[in-house]
Amino acid sequence: DAKTTQPTSMDCAEGRAANLPCNHSTISGNEYVYWYRQIHSQGPQYIIHGLKNNETNEMASLIITEDRKSSTLILPHATLRDTAVYYCIEYGGSQGNLIFGKGTKLSVKP
Amino acid sequence: DAGVIQSPRHEVTEMGQEVTLRCKPISGHNSLFWYRQTMMRGLELLIYFNNNVPIDDSGMPEDRFSAKMPNASFSTLKIQPSEPRDSAVYFCASSLIGGPLLFGSGTRLTVV
Repeated sequence: DAKTTQPTSMDCAEGRAANLPCNHSTISGNEYVYWYRQIHSQGPQYIIHGLKNNETNEMASLIITEDRKSSTLILPHATLRDTAVYYCIEYGGSQGNLIFGKGTKLSVKP
Repeated sequence: DAGVIQSPRHEVTEMGQEVTLRCKPISGHNSLFWYRQTMMRGLELLIYFNNNVPIDDSGMPEDRFSAKMPNASFSTLKIQPSEPRDSAVYFCASSLIGGPLLFGSGTRLTVV
């Protein structure tokens, strides 16, 4: 079973920042926080991952709390095409298995 | 980059028939994963390979399912005989060991 907790759904206005929270209070020291999203009927798309430092790439920013028990994915300027289910996952890498929970359904509205 | 390539995109078959799903991972990746997605169960891992060797097949639902990876550039997932409850979207993903998984577009299987 997935070990992370995310809100079931969120809305965001187009052009505004979307902040998606995730709780991972049982994360172990060698596990990364990974974020994926799945746009309807497509395969899951990798967004970003981090261990304990904040990370940024061309898609998003990832803010991880100092105690590593929670994180926030930030889409700085959401567009309608960012409407998707977003998954936050604890992943040790070498263990090989990404376990997907139910994720957060983000709806970006005009 | 071509990404992970899966075929066919859609498959409709009759109950009892054999179904073979195919996957070409990203060149250079050494891990390959097969996932299944249904409305009821979400995304679940069926099996994964490291360096063409099956590592964990505990997610394979039953003996009707089998997966092979004869070389680093090809894998198959076979269902024989197929049943209506096997209807789902099947995703293949590949990665460097320990790195982010990159998914294909999936095969939508319908068993009637």
